[in-house]
Amino acid sequence: RKEVEQDPGPFNVPEGATVAFNCTYSNSASQSFFWYRQDCRKEPKLLMSVYSSGNEDGRFTAQLNRASQYISLLIRDSKLSDSATYLCVVNIRNYGQNFVFGPGTRLSVLP
Amino acid sequence: NAGVTQTPKFQVLKTGQSMTLQCAQDMNHEYMSWYRQDPGMGLRLIHYSVGAGITDQGEVPNGYNVSRSTTEDFPLRLLSAAPSQTSVYFCASSKPGTPQETQYFGPGTRLLVL
Repeated sequence: RKEVEQDPGPFNVPEGATVAFNCTYSNSASQSFFWYRQDCRKEPKLLMSVYSSGNEDGRFTAQLNRASQYISLLIRDSKLSDSATYLCVVNIRNYGQNFVFGPGTRLSVLP
Repeated sequence: NAGVTQTPKFQVLKTGQSMTLQCAQDMNHEYMSWYRQDPGMGLRLIHYSVGAGITDQGEVPNGYNVSRSTTEDFPLRLLSAAPSQTSVYFCASSKPGTPQETQYFGPGTRLLVL
């Protein structure tokens, strides 16, 4: 079993739609959690950290369920510019350097 | 700040050749890492460093060497290139000491081994 798994995608949605991405992780010792965005042929960039209480940044909402080892990302009112691959990332060591990346879920927002 | 820089952007090698991928950061980050990204596989950690003079292996270290003589630079050496090393290589840096430390990535090096 992969350490971090994500919806296989791709997701093709119309502008204005709400889309949700799911991610599960296998290591219960995982300490911190992130969503990264990667545009085609570009480097990954941090979209948002994920906190235990859940957090929101504009149209983006991230949720964490430690008991189920599950992370989600909700995008509301999708824009064309949201088209990208979304990577779920887990850091197994707190204050440490063991980031494990999921394979990513590709999103295409259509006009 | 330039952030994380990588050179070259593209490289074609023949099997058996060696080369060094360069990575530098100007953010005074202690942690630096090298990843490779292959289709459908996500990013996989090759080697990482927690500070100058300290390096360790990641998930897929075979065929690669690293050194960290300064805080700024973290070169990745391919000793004898193989077609299986065809990939996109990303260097990243981060500053420890906070629970939600963020990794910053360089623009990547696309490597083709024939």
